[in-house]
Amino acid sequence: DTEVTQTPKHLVMGMTNKKSLKCEQHMGHRAMYWYKQKAKKPPELMFVYSYEKLSINESVPSRFSPECPNSSLLNLHLHALQPEDSALYLCASSQEDWGHGYTFGSGTRLTVV
Amino acid sequence: AQKVTQAQTEISVVEKEDVTLDCVYETRDTTYYLFWYKQPPSGELVFLIRRNSFDEQNEISGRYSWNFQKSTSSFNFTITASQVVDSAVYFCALSETHNTDKLIFGTGTRLQVFP
Repeated sequence: DTEVTQTPKHLVMGMTNKKSLKCEQHMGHRAMYWYKQKAKKPPELMFVYSYEKLSINESVPSRFSPECPNSSLLNLHLHALQPEDSALYLCASSQEDWGHGYTFGSGTRLTVV
Repeated sequence: AQKVTQAQTEISVVEKEDVTLDCVYETRDTTYYLFWYKQPPSGELVFLIRRNSFDEQNEISGRYSWNFQKSTSSFNFTITASQVVDSAVYFCALSETHNTDKLIFGTGTRLQVFP
């Protein structure tokens, strides 16, 4: 299995809703990432988990809450989002040997109404 | 400061034409990795190549080739005999020694290949 699987593929949520994005990989990768990508922009790093511990938080608002329950699973909990948070949310993973490459999932297209 | 510049915002070509996508980077690290990713309309970022800073050999993979020149801090990508399926946004990215978990992306080049 050489994939990063993200669910759901599309999500529409209201500003008062609570939802979660899920990411899964079974490649034994030690690091998992959340990126946010607005239309016609490059991906921007949000969070990094290394060996199941949060290692990087790029000053992301607290309405985004990451969770790494185990080495294969990464969640992003969403609460009280704003319309400007509408974007493509990409999950990625990478192996221990730095620079091997990052495997990205196909993303969740989030629309906040 | 680290930076990746893709000056070409959009490129349009006709099928079978060759096309080169430019990438210029800035870093203070002597050890770093460079990447190219393809993002089709479906959204997934598809890994194409990585190159470490000590390996300046050019690489060819089918219709794809990459030219890495440290002297000009460039890592250009050429598609030979382009096809409609090559239409996508292409990102160049940099990863540095002191912050290996962070990919620094360029702004991307949208390539449209017309039949």
